[in-house]
Amino acid sequence: QSALTQPASVSGSPGQSITISCTGSSSDVGVYNYVAWYQHHPDKAPKLMIYDVSKRPSGVSNRFSGSKSGNTASLSISGLQAEDEADYYCSSYTSSGTYVFGTGTKVTVL
Amino acid sequence: EVQLVQSGAEVKKTGESLKISCKGSGYKFTSYWISWVRQMPGKGLEWMGTIDPSDSYTKYSPSFQGHVTISVDKSITTAYLQWSSLKASDTAIYYCARPYSGSYDLEYWGQGILVTVSS
Repeated sequence: QSALTQPASVSGSPGQSITISCTGSSSDVGVYNYVAWYQHHPDKAPKLMIYDVSKRPSGVSNRFSGSKSGNTASLSISGLQAEDEADYYCSSYTSSGTYVFGTGTKVTVL
Repeated sequence: EVQLVQSGAEVKKTGESLKISCKGSGYKFTSYWISWVRQMPGKGLEWMGTIDPSDSYTKYSPSFQGHVTISVDKSITTAYLQWSSLKASDTAIYYCARPYSGSYDLEYWGQGILVTVSS
């Protein structure tokens, strides 16, 4: 199974909105609503930001939102803040009964 | 409070065996699968495999099948990841994680274990 495809980097100024894409296939993102997004700061454990495509766990800011269209999922961050600077990974359940992560996107707050 | 507490950092030689652990607490251990995730230096997250603690059924990523073994001892609410013969390329941080209730997505994570393998 191949990793889901994400842009290597995305940047934005404080207060702006950014969107990160995550492209999979008809064997994962395209057929399951088990798409998640994780925020990963160096030397910390990944943090679940979005699950089941668009649901937010308790405690996650509503500045984070998720969506999906066909084989591509997206994470949007509005009102960008310095603390949002991190690596972001998407993930999906697959038709093989496994789980696959995206290639990762480094978000930089300018 | 749900917690996954992993064992400490390891420094090993190539060819040695290793078993690292992940102890769950604060929830019904047998109700949630435990997954293992690798992050090699400077690289992204990779899903390695998962285990159902209730019956020890496992599912591996094709990339890791045959290279590692995932097991569990439900009597002490602990999951394990083990290697029989380490390679330098096994140097990485390894995380265990538990899914969100009713989903496959990983909500709770251990703190990570740095495994360093040298010749």
